Amino acid sequence: KQEVTQIPAALSVPEGENLVLNCSFTDSAIYNLQWFRQDPGKGLTSLLLIQSSQREQTSGRLNASLDKSSGRSTLYIAASQPGDSATYLCAVTSSGGGADGLTFGKGTHLIIQP
Amino acid sequence: ETGVTQSPTHLIKTRGQQVTLRCSSQSGHNTVSWYQQALGQGPQFIFQYYREEENGRGNFPPRFSGLQFPNYSSELNVNALELDDSALYLCASSLMAGHDTQYFGPGTRLTVL
Repeated sequence: KQEVTQIPAALSVPEGENLVLNCSFTDSAIYNLQWFRQDPGKGLTSLLLIQSSQREQTSGRLNASLDKSSGRSTLYIAASQPGDSATYLCAVTSSGGGADGLTFGKGTHLIIQP
Repeated sequence: ETGVTQSPTHLIKTRGQQVTLRCSSQSGHNTVSWYQQALGQGPQFIFQYYREEENGRGNFPPRFSGLQFPNYSSELNVNALELDDSALYLCASSLMAGHDTQYFGPGTRLTVL
């Protein structure tokens, strides 16, 4: 059974810092990995999707990497801003055709201090 | 292009009642998935529908059931509500079953008293 773990559970940093969020998964047989952002009480916004054959994806100040063999992904946020404050969730799709849905971690709650 | 929408936004029910939650997929998407997110947890996969057929299910009992309609909108039905069913219910649509970016709606907050 696939399990996804995110470290740290919570993080508070001053505005302007670069930061790294970590995600690990137990079964390397994944099809893709997605990073999402969730604001309090709201739905999920997809940030980046990395296919299993890719090593990284970039969007603006965000860069996500994937090391499938070691079961790890990182989300790098450059020059953090107060508007980046949210919960960041990592999720994987298993290789079995996707009908198992996404398996999520519990998220990292990020606070950027002005 | 309209995004994923869900209704209602909030709902309060009592234990033992039944509830129906609704989702409209993003235009052109034929796959919809439902997730349950308890407070402080990541979303848990309930089931997925592709072209009106259930094609995947998570570890949820049969009292969680669903439908997908020809216009690809969807319903989640929960019978015999329990206190632990209190959660945010999220619907997500995608262009292809499983192997594509999933786009989430804002969710329905269900409270069971």
